Amino acid sequence: QVQLQESGPGLVKPSETLSLTCIVSGGSISSYYWSWIRQPPGKGLEWIGNIYYSGSTKYNNYNPSLKSRVTISVDTSKNQISLKLSSVTAADTAMYYCAKENSYGATNWFDPWGQGTPVTVSS
Amino acid sequence: QSVLTQPPSVSGAPGQRVTISCTGSSSNIGAGYDVNWYQQLPGTAPKLLIYGSSNRPSGVPDRFSGSKSGTSASLAITGLQAEDEADYYCQSYDSSLSVPFGTGTKVTVL
Repeated sequence: QVQLQESGPGLVKPSETLSLTCIVSGGSISSYYWSWIRQPPGKGLEWIGNIYYSGSTKYNNYNPSLKSRVTISVDTSKNQISLKLSSVTAADTAMYYCAKENSYGATNWFDPWGQGTPVTVSS
Repeated sequence: QSVLTQPPSVSGAPGQRVTISCTGSSSNIGAGYDVNWYQQLPGTAPKLLIYGSSNRPSGVPDRFSGSKSGTSASLAITGLQAEDEADYYCQSYDSSLSVPFGTGTKVTVL
């Protein structure tokens, strides 16, 4: 059974780059899409982007509203996915989740999710 | 702001039936993309409740059901229980190449 565990610095200064990792256990990260999703305190969910990796093939998709600041990458040797978000502001304060993306036909859904890691942007 | 609109809150007494709507547009639900639903208990990560508009993962009680019609979808909870008190989110796909979530609905058991 796949399990995901996010980690990263809980506090990031404005204008700096937020860096988070998600370790996947219980299965390979190859041949699946993996997403990052965030949730500001007391607010709803926002999809950040995803990555697919298989052999020499790699695809990324990003939320158009965040695309200019986001990079999602994969390290197969560590079975982990990484998120970098540059030029952060207080609006980037949120709980950040990684999730396995499943798809069939005309849908894609997220399951399972990691427990999330909180990030606060403050000086 | 999200392109999928949900009512901020719904409530019901134990045993009752409640429904949560998820209204989209011709670029997401109306374009034929299915809807998924998640339950988020306080202080926890979201959990998949319904996928492909009407399919329940193993382990999800059959009190939860989903449907889709036109540019909208619905989640129904029958036989409401105290443990169902949570936030619920719908999610689909949009032709803008993004993956929108709904605005979220808080379910209160009276």
